[in-house]
Amino acid sequence: EPEVTQTPSHQVTQMGQEVILRCVPISNHLYFYWYRQILGQKVEFLVSFYNNEISEKSEIFDDQFSVERPDGSNFTLKIRSTKLEDSAMYFCASRYNSPLHFGNGTRLTVT
Amino acid sequence: AQRVTQPEKLLSVFKGAPVELKCNYSYSGSPELFWYVQYSRQRLQLLLRHISRESIKGFTADLNKGETSFHLKKPFAQEEDSAMYYCALFSNTGKLIFGQGTTLQVKP
Repeated sequence: EPEVTQTPSHQVTQMGQEVILRCVPISNHLYFYWYRQILGQKVEFLVSFYNNEISEKSEIFDDQFSVERPDGSNFTLKIRSTKLEDSAMYFCASRYNSPLHFGNGTRLTVT
Repeated sequence: AQRVTQPEKLLSVFKGAPVELKCNYSYSGSPELFWYVQYSRQRLQLLLRHISRESIKGFTADLNKGETSFHLKKPFAQEEDSAMYYCALFSNTGKLIFGQGTTLQVKP
């Protein structure tokens, strides 16, 4: 069964640095998502992406965040200048209709 | 407002006992609801969706529109059911809204 894949599984970065989290959605899917989960908290929506543009974003997704689908297969989340509070598990998801299919996540640690 | 509430953070039962994980939702219109499971350090996996009305790994969930609930049930818990369970609502803008999650701990 096809899966959403995310790399790296764990990323450690220093505060103020830029990070790019990578995702390869399932190939025939059309809708793409990023969610995050701060340790001990709920899974929170960040952004959805369809037809090469953002279709919805949450209040968490401020100017420090951006998403891109650079080559028709990858879907990336960039955080320009990381803060300590960006430390979390970041999940990519994709769908054709519903439901959403999730990747294994990238654990981001900001020191 | 579209919202999902899972009132229990932790549910601890003995092996063989019945399990009910509670989920309530707020949504105007016909909701599309899901249960996802997250085993230790693994991805969120779809367990059930209400429109399919199937039983997966012995779990069932029935949508009760009158009570706005979608509780997850299993008659006899197994140790391998220990995991984090999330109830989720498909919003009218095409995203999933998750509840807080309930950790199910099945003791031997």
